Amino acid sequence: EDQVTQSPEALRLQEGESSSLNCSYTVSGLRGLFWYRQDPGKGPEFLFTLYSAGEEKEKERLKATLTKKESFLHITAPKPEDSATYLCAVPVRGSQGNLIFGKGTKLSVKP
Amino acid sequence: KAGVTQTPRYLIKTRGQQVTLSCSPISGHRSVSWYQQTPGQGLQFLFEYFSETQRNKGNFPGRFSGRQFSNSRSEMNVSTLELGDSALYLCASSFGFIDNEQFFGPGTRLTVL
Repeated sequence: EDQVTQSPEALRLQEGESSSLNCSYTVSGLRGLFWYRQDPGKGPEFLFTLYSAGEEKEKERLKATLTKKESFLHITAPKPEDSATYLCAVPVRGSQGNLIFGKGTKLSVKP
Repeated sequence: KAGVTQTPRYLIKTRGQQVTLSCSPISGHRSVSWYQQTPGQGLQFLFEYFSETQRNKGNFPGRFSGRQFSNSRSEMNVSTLELGDSALYLCASSFGFIDNEQFFGPGTRLTVL
């Protein structure tokens, strides 16, 4: 069965303390990997799409990378406004749906 | 470009009632997907509609149903509400190909008492 696993479940950082979030996947025939940010009580906000191993995308303090087994979301010098839950998802076919999500990493950045 | 809109934003219902949620996708998007999000289960796929046809369905009981109109707007209905149906219901739209990004609306928070 296709699966997406994110770690850690929660991460507490001090402002300026860089770190990485992990998303590992087992999917037959990867057709892309998506990263989303979700604030409490709101819908997920699209961040990045990665299609092939070795690909990298950047946006402000965030950089997403992709290997054949996993993806990383690197956060450089985070600020309190980066606090949110970060979700990764992969598109699939079949009854699991058209998009399988990981459970997310809840990031808290303290000033 | 306007984003995905969902109405209503909040709903309070009692067990046994039914509810209808509405979603308007981004202009030009033909696919609308619905998800249920709860703290314990995360985001779970309900169903997807593409050009007024249900293209895929998740593992939810038949009490959950939906439809899509010719203008791509979609509705989902939950009949005979149960306490466990309390959740954030999210709608997402895309162009409809498997590798297309999905863009989410703000969600409808349903509370069943």
